[in-house]
Amino acid sequence: EPEVTQTPSHQVTQMGQEVILHCVPISNHLYFYWYRQILGQKVEFLVSFYNNEISEKSEIFDDQFSVERPDGSNFTLKIRSTKLEDSAMYFCASSEQAATNEKLFFGSGTQLSVL
Amino acid sequence: DAKTTQPNSMESNEEEPVHLPCNHSTISGTDYIHWYRQLPSQGPEYVIHGLTSNVNNRMASLAIAEDRKSSTLILHRATLRDAAVYYCILRAYTGANSKLTFGKGITLSVRP
Repeated sequence: EPEVTQTPSHQVTQMGQEVILHCVPISNHLYFYWYRQILGQKVEFLVSFYNNEISEKSEIFDDQFSVERPDGSNFTLKIRSTKLEDSAMYFCASSEQAATNEKLFFGSGTQLSVL
Repeated sequence: DAKTTQPNSMESNEEEPVHLPCNHSTISGTDYIHWYRQLPSQGPEYVIHGLTSNVNNRMASLAIAEDRKSSTLILHRATLRDAAVYYCILRAYTGANSKLTFGKGITLSVRP
């Protein structure tokens, strides 16, 4: 079965540094998402993306965050100036359509540690 | 988003059926009921979804109450690999992307 690929699996950075998390969605999918999960907490929605635009974003997704689809296969999440509280597992997801009966495919995540 | 209510945890024995309940009394007519699960240290994984009728797939069955205010995910024969957090989610159309909103889910433990 096709899968969403995320790299790196672990990222350690210093507070204030910029990080870019990489995702390769499933090739024929058109809708892309980023979620995060702080240790021991719920999976939280960050942003959804379609047709090279942000469709929806949560309150968490402030000006420090940005997303980009730089080419036909990659989907990135950038955090400009990381904070300690950005430490979390970040999951990328994609779906073929946006319909409510459509399923999302998730990657295995990038564990971000901000020191 | 309409809310779902699940017990915090459940235990089962290996090779026995498991019924995971979910209440969603404020569900609207167009909300789909989705179930995802998250194995330890992994991303969420789709399990099954339905609207009104019961659904079966290779992973599980979904039984939906006639009034749609509750549903039950059925694992017919639990294995150790089924130990995970199971999320019952109502997916409503909100525009260009109808996101999934995760709750706390139910933690399923499977005893050998």
